Amino acid sequence: GQQLNQSPQSMFIQEGEDVSMNCTSSSIFNTWLWYKQDPGEGPVLLIALYKAGELTSNGRLTAQFGITRKDSFLNISASIPSDVGIYFCAGRLYNNNDMRFGAGTRLTVKP
Amino acid sequence: SQTIHQWPATLVQPVGSPLSLECTVEGTSNPNLYWYRQAAGRGLQLLFYSVGIGQISSEVPQNLSASRPQDRQFILSSKKLLLSDSGFYLCAWSDGWESTGELFFGEGSRLTVL
Repeated sequence: GQQLNQSPQSMFIQEGEDVSMNCTSSSIFNTWLWYKQDPGEGPVLLIALYKAGELTSNGRLTAQFGITRKDSFLNISASIPSDVGIYFCAGRLYNNNDMRFGAGTRLTVKP
Repeated sequence: SQTIHQWPATLVQPVGSPLSLECTVEGTSNPNLYWYRQAAGRGLQLLFYSVGIGQISSEVPQNLSASRPQDRQFILSSKKLLLSDSGFYLCAWSDGWESTGELFFGEGSRLTVL
């Protein structure tokens, strides 16, 4: 019930293509976060969302907080080789202090 | 600005040996602190979180324990390591006052139990 389902699990795309990934849950979250993790490093925060319906951009990245509070998506436009990594969604539960993470989307970008 | 550091970065330990991973946060007070584990190619599993000194919440029964002896120090320990304890351990903090929910991670500690 509190787990996040993140998809796709992996993506292989050509440089310049757009990317879309999403997270869904049966639970309500009051914060959605998207992270990127490079190999052997800790995840780095990309975008934070706080309100249902909120749409936020960070350069070529755009993320939205679903209206139902149970889902979120992340889009990357015009991908470049340095976009390679694992992208995680994370949701903070409505009445809880901790964060739940999706299993990650492994992105590979071919030059 | 706030920073978070954890060490050691890499550790190779025999089965049955003890473990101590340390994490410290600078530039903030009363942070919420977290320990996550990431198995190879997998997502992040919350192990422990703490909202204050001496206050530890455990998410999963396991061979590990956590302690918070000081406001900005979080320690992950084990008395006897198991093979299944191998993984990438991440310490994280969030603002304890504003509760924005944003988590900031350390560099990670890779533990290999042989």
